[in-house]
Amino acid sequence: DAGITQSPRYKITETGRQVTLMCHQTWSHSYMFWYRQDLGHGLRLIYYSAAADITDKGEVPDGYVVSRSKTENFPLTLESATRSQTSVYFCASTGGGYTDTQYFGPGTRLTVL
Amino acid sequence: QKEVEQDPGPLSVPEGAIVSLNCTYSNSAFQYFMWYRQYSRKGPELLMYTYSSGNKEDGRFTAQVDKSSKYISLFIRDSQPSDSATYLCAMSANDMRFGAGTRLTVKP
Repeated sequence: DAGITQSPRYKITETGRQVTLMCHQTWSHSYMFWYRQDLGHGLRLIYYSAAADITDKGEVPDGYVVSRSKTENFPLTLESATRSQTSVYFCASTGGGYTDTQYFGPGTRLTVL
Repeated sequence: QKEVEQDPGPLSVPEGAIVSLNCTYSNSAFQYFMWYRQYSRKGPELLMYTYSSGNKEDGRFTAQVDKSSKYISLFIRDSQPSDSATYLCAMSANDMRFGAGTRLTVKP
C-alpha cells in the first residue's frame, strides 16, 4: 500500500506490559514523527527522526522508546505501559524539514487497563 | 499558558453558513502556519499552508495570518455537511505546535 500505514489500528493492553506500535511509509521521507492525541491537548510530539539512526525527543517522550534502523519504518515502544498512556497515536512523515507539510497515518487507538 | 490556544467548540452551523475558526499563539518565532482537517477516526490532513502574515485562498477556504496580533483564522464559505470535522491549527519555527482542534458540525 502506498502512503503511510500504522499497525495495529486498535490495541488493548494491561498496565506494565510492553507494547510496540508500528509505522511504515512508502515515500522514502527522511523525517518521521510520533504524536499522541488526547482530548483538550491536541497533538503532542513524542519523538521524531530526521533520518535512519537519528532520533530525538519531542514534547512528551517519557515512557516511550523509538528506533529507526530503516528509512521506511519508525516503531514506537511503550516499555511498561501505564493508564496515562491510553491515547490515540499518530505517525507522520515529511520529505522536507521539520516545518514542512506532514502526512499522517490513520492512527492507533491504544487502551491501557 | 499553552503556546497555541484554540477554542475546542463544538461549533454547529447550518449548511451554507460562513464558518470562522481561530487560533492565538504566544511564540513570535512561528513563521509557518497550517490548518489541518481531521475526520472522525482518521489522521489529520493538510488543508491550508501559509508563510508569515497575509491571506491565502483556496476554493471555499481562506486562511489569514496576523503576526502582529499573533492570531490566525480559517474561513469556510458556503459550508457543506462534508466539512464536518475537527480543524487543527498548527504552526512552526524550529518545531511544530498544534492547537487542540475545533470540532465543527455543518447541519443539512
